[in-house]
Amino acid sequence: RKEVEQDPGPFNVPEGATVAFNCTYSNSASQSFFWYRQDCRKEPKLLMSVYSSGNEDGRFTAQLNRASQYISLLIRDSKLSDSATYLCVVNRGGNEKLTFGTGTRLTIIP
Amino acid sequence: DTGVSQDPRHKITKRGQNVTFRCDPISEHNRLYWYRQTLGQGPEFLTYFQNEAQLEKSRLLSDRFSAERPKGSFSTLEIQRTEQGDSAMYLCASSHSGGAPAQYFGPGTRLTVL
Repeated sequence: RKEVEQDPGPFNVPEGATVAFNCTYSNSASQSFFWYRQDCRKEPKLLMSVYSSGNEDGRFTAQLNRASQYISLLIRDSKLSDSATYLCVVNRGGNEKLTFGTGTRLTIIP
Repeated sequence: DTGVSQDPRHKITKRGQNVTFRCDPISEHNRLYWYRQTLGQGPEFLTYFQNEAQLEKSRLLSDRFSAERPKGSFSTLEIQRTEQGDSAMYLCASSHSGGAPAQYFGPGTRLTVL
């Protein structure tokens, strides 16, 4: 079983729609959680950290359920520029290595 | 630009040759990480440094791979006797051990082994 599992998609969503991604992780010792965004042939870029209480950044909302070892990302009012691969990432803490999911590919359709 | 930089951005080599990549982290970051990414996969951890000390190496890092960070600033990743399976994007990231755990990535070096 992979340490971080994501639905690879692709998700093809009309502009303006709401889209949700889910992710599960297997290591209960994981302490830090992130969503990264990766455009084609570019490096991953930090989208947002994920906190236990849930957090929001503009159109993006992230949730964490430690009991179920489940992370989610919600994108509201999707834009064409949101088209990318979204990577679910966990860290066991202490600024150590990041463990990535395979990514979920999102395409926003005009 | 004060972000993470990597050089070269692209490298094409023949099987059996040695290659070396360089990474310059964000200047105030004392932790530096190397990852490898192949098509359709997320990045996979290879190794990381805190200052000049190499603190962890993945089992993915065979004896043909070596990484250094001699002065605690830039780092090099060398691959000896390259194989076609080494073809991948090699990503470098940095962070500060006393700060937030998020890591910031450079643009990567895309290696193609013919």
